[in-house]
Amino acid sequence: EVQLVESGGGLIQPGGSLRLSCAASGFTVSSNYMSWVRQAPGKGLEWVSLIHSGGSTYYADSVKGRFTISRDNSKNSLHLQMNSLRAEDTAVYYCARGFCSSGSCYPHPLNHWGQGTLVTVSS
Amino acid sequence: EIVLTQSPGTLSLSPGERATLSCRASQSVTSSYLAWYQQKPGQAPRLLIYAASSRATGIPDRFSGSGSGTDFTLTISRLEPEDFAVYFCQQYVSSPFTFGPGTEVHIK
Repeated sequence: EVQLVESGGGLIQPGGSLRLSCAASGFTVSSNYMSWVRQAPGKGLEWVSLIHSGGSTYYADSVKGRFTISRDNSKNSLHLQMNSLRAEDTAVYYCARGFCSSGSCYPHPLNHWGQGTLVTVSS
Repeated sequence: EIVLTQSPGTLSLSPGERATLSCRASQSVTSSYLAWYQQKPGQAPRLLIYAASSRATGIPDRFSGSGSGTDFTLTISRLEPEDFAVYFCQQYVSSPFTFGPGTEVHIK
């Protein structure tokens, strides 16, 4: 069974840094496409970042240059390093896996989601 | 960037009724790379429909998707109590992989 469990959220001051983690089980992170999606309180969904199975990375303009997506193959986990945090980064952050069918996997749609971790940027 | 607009913003319906949700894109979503997700309060989104009209594994057949180009529709043929939730569309033809603002379906 595919499971994703995020951790690392919390309260952080503007300008600070935080590293989110997503522990995966039931599949191999390095062989799949993994994304981070966030949701500000009471708002809609915003795609944040994607890492391809081959290692290529993609970012939303709103986080480019400040956030870095990575994976730890030895721990089968996904990470999001968030620097220079702003109040508008306050959100629940979800990690999600892309879509696999008939032995092939794709970056989208997002077929498996974690429960999310809340990041609050405030002084 | 492809901007998605969903309508209506809120839908008030009774169990057993039919729900029709619209998602319109600012430019063509080629290859129908459009998905629909359901989200209930305090929960993560759940994939319902991908490639505009294909149901994800385990999704009841009362959910159906249609459309192409810039206009897409999610239909729930007969609302069950567990279907009252927020529904988001997402395009995945090009980065950034944008979501619509959502349609809330609540009990009338």
